[in-house]
Order: sequence, then structure tokens, then C-alpha cells
Amino acid sequence: GENVEQHPSTLSVQEGDSAVIKCTYSDSASNYFPWYKQELGKRPQLIIDIRSNVGEKKDQRIAVTLNKTAKHFSLHITETQPEDSAVYFCAAVKDRGSTLGRLYFGRGTQLTVWP
Amino acid sequence: EAEVAQSPRYKITEKSQAVAFWCDPISGHATLYWYRQILGQGPELLVQFQDESVVDDSQLPKDRFSAERLKGVDSTLKIQPAELGDSAMYLCASSFSDRPKNIQYFGAGTRLSVL
Repeated sequence: GENVEQHPSTLSVQEGDSAVIKCTYSDSASNYFPWYKQELGKRPQLIIDIRSNVGEKKDQRIAVTLNKTAKHFSLHITETQPEDSAVYFCAAVKDRGSTLGRLYFGRGTQLTVWP
Repeated sequence: EAEVAQSPRYKITEKSQAVAFWCDPISGHATLYWYRQILGQGPELLVQFQDESVVDDSQLPKDRFSAERLKGVDSTLKIQPAELGDSAMYLCASSFSDRPKNIQYFGAGTRLSVL
């Protein structure tokens, strides 16, 4: 299978500060890494993703980095705002094998941004 | 914007009763996933369909859970009999195909409480 570890489980920052969430994965067959944001009582929504042939991707205040050698990837949020408060999940997807397309999720990080 | 539809949003049942959840994926999406999300954890795949065929049900407790997607469009997940430990959020997701580059879109989920 695939084992995705995510840290920290909770993260509190002051508005305007940066937040970093880190994930590791175990299976080298994983080559696609999406990040989902889930607000309380709502569906998970994709916020950014990265593919294994790219080391970094940025979208406004959100960036994701990937180190395939070390099998870890991170989410970076800059200039945090209270509306960034949510649970963030990292995930890994394999491109081969019987579990093609299946998302392996981390346990989630509860981000709280204080005004 | 098209969304994955799920019903009901909430379900309260007593243990040993039967429950059923319904999912209607985004039109044209061949791949459909059912995930279970226990409070405080990331979603875990229960079953994956490609059109009407099951491609991965390795994590589905087949003694009590069943899933079908008869015409390759909408899907039903059933639990019979329900147990206390089944209390969770059941999320349905769909994607255009099972290729890793295809984004999975989630429904709002069905929150099940077993009393």
C-alpha cells in the first residue's frame, strides 16, 4: 500500500504569519500529490497539487514543494488570513499497480489563524 | 459548476439497522470513489468503481457493506447491519478517469450516527 504521514496535527498562527505543513510518503510509485482543504462541515476541496516531475509549484499565497528522493512534500501558506482556518489534508496517488487513482490521505492538520 | 451530489446529508440509525447512501457523480466522470472519514482522521477508501465495475474494494468490510453502480452513473453504498463503529462521514468522489492526474471532486458527504 502507501503510508502518508502528516505533521503537525494542529497548527496555530497569527494572521499574517506563514504556515508550513509537512508530509512524507512511503511508496516510490506515488507520483501525484494533491492537497485538500476541508472547512468545518464541508467537503474536501483541492487547493493545489504537484506532480513528481516538478519540485515546486506556487499559486498566490500557497506553494507546495516536493522532494522525491526523500519522499516528502510540504504545503506553505504565506500571509495567512482567518479564512485559511480549516483542516488540510495531504495525499499521494500512484501511477501504477492495482490501486491506480486511489488517494492515500494523511491524518490532517487543523490550522487556526488568529486575527 | 457541477458538483458531486450525495444524500442524505445526515443519517441517524440504531445499530443492527440497514442504511443506504446515494451518490451522483459529476456528469461524464467514469471513476467513482466511496471514502469513510472518521472524526479527526483523513478519508480512507472503501471502494472504487471504473464505470460499473469495482476495481478496488480491498478495504470494504464485505460482511456488512455493499456498493453498486449498476449503470455506471450513480452509486449506492449500503450497510447492513450497522454497528456503533460505523459512525463516520461517508464521502463520495468522482474523477474523469483513474489516471493520477485527474482531480477527484468530493461530495458534501453523509454523516452517519449509529446509536
